[in-house]
Amino acid sequence: ILNVEQSPQSLHVQEGDSTNFTCSFPSSNFYALHWYRWETAKSPEALFVMTLNGDEKKKGRISATLNTKEGYSYLYIKGSQPEDSATYLCASLGGGADGLTFGKGTHLIIQP
Amino acid sequence: DAGVIQSPRHEVTEMGQEVTLRCKPISGHDYLFWYRQTMMRGLELLIYFNNNVPIDDSGMPEDRFSAKMPNASFSTLKIQPSEPRDSAVYFCASSLRGLWTYEQYFGPGTRLTVT
Repeated sequence: ILNVEQSPQSLHVQEGDSTNFTCSFPSSNFYALHWYRWETAKSPEALFVMTLNGDEKKKGRISATLNTKEGYSYLYIKGSQPEDSATYLCASLGGGADGLTFGKGTHLIIQP
Repeated sequence: DAGVIQSPRHEVTEMGQEVTLRCKPISGHDYLFWYRQTMMRGLELLIYFNNNVPIDDSGMPEDRFSAKMPNASFSTLKIQPSEPRDSAVYFCASSLRGLWTYEQYFGPGTRLTVT
């Protein structure tokens, strides 16, 4: 079973502050890492798909890095806004698993 | 594009009844995925199709679950007979190509309650 762990489980951040959180995954036979943003009462929305060690991706104020050798990815949000409040999911394929394995998510709350 | 369409959005049924969930993927997408979301286990992959062919159903919990994709624009997930532990949100997602190296587009989900 592929274990994808996300930390912290929840996070309260003041509006305007920057923040980051972690996704850890088994590094053996790594293939791909996905980040999704999931707002309450909506469906998950893709942010990034990353495959290469050292890869960095950016979309507006959100960016992500990938370290496949040590098995982690960071998601960064610069200058948090209330609309950033959501659950951020990561999912990894690797370690012999047959499909994407999702973490439980980091629940981010931006306080005005 | 309308995105991935799922129906119904909510389903309440009694234990033992047959339940059919429906999904229309984004036009032109080669891959279709069915996921189940529960508090205990999070988001789990049940089955996925490539060009209408089931590729991996190892995530399907039991024989009570079955999925079909008769054409490129329609898929069903059927539970027969349903049980209370099947209560969850079921998501359908589609992907353009490349399986795991392309982002997946999720539908709004079907919230299933089995009483």
